[in-house]
Amino acid sequence: DAKTTQPPSMDCAEGRAANLPCNHSTISGNEYVYWYRQIHSQGPQYIIHGLKNNETNEMASLIITEDRKSSTLILPHATLRDTAVYYCIAFLSGTYKYIFGTGTRLKVLA
Amino acid sequence: DAGVIQSPRHEVTEMGQEVTLRCKPISGHDYLFWYRQTMMRGLELLIYFNNNVPIDDSGMPEDRFSAKMPNASFSTLKIQPSEPRDSAVYFCASSATGFLAEAFFGQGTRLTVV
Repeated sequence: DAKTTQPPSMDCAEGRAANLPCNHSTISGNEYVYWYRQIHSQGPQYIIHGLKNNETNEMASLIITEDRKSSTLILPHATLRDTAVYYCIAFLSGTYKYIFGTGTRLKVLA
Repeated sequence: DAGVIQSPRHEVTEMGQEVTLRCKPISGHDYLFWYRQTMMRGLELLIYFNNNVPIDDSGMPEDRFSAKMPNASFSTLKIQPSEPRDSAVYFCASSATGFLAEAFFGQGTRLTVV
């Protein structure tokens, strides 16, 4: 499984876009990028995933660079409830082996 | 659906005692995962099952830890004997078979060994 690297913490003003980067320079062609988040004391929650193309759902957008060595999770209008630890995970589809790194602690400021 | 259900939510036990954590996955999900979370080591995958069969237990820290899945709707994680360093939050998660399935996590069991 590819190793992912994320900044330990970030701040974002409420209502602004939160851009969370992830480096996965060793990712293989068959490995997908998944994002989860963990709000204090709760279990991690799925956000979005992608392989090559950019993806968008009701929660966020995922921008993957053309060389797939990095990606950015975008929360378009951050709210106080988006304060959480965000995990970027790269894994081979079908292995179901979700390996979480240390994540980015996002704090949304009022 | 009630989601993944774990019990108990909190457990305090004395060193040397046996501890059993329980998990009910989402109905119809074929995969079940046990994770441990601590401040020092973050979220670690301990073991996961597919169709009740353990697939990868390489994350189980030592022989004191064991996990079973006797049927599709129930799994246990047992620690015997427990030690203070086992204190952590233990999460259970499940996912369905299928391409790019996401994992759904329970609320966790906070274990304190004194």
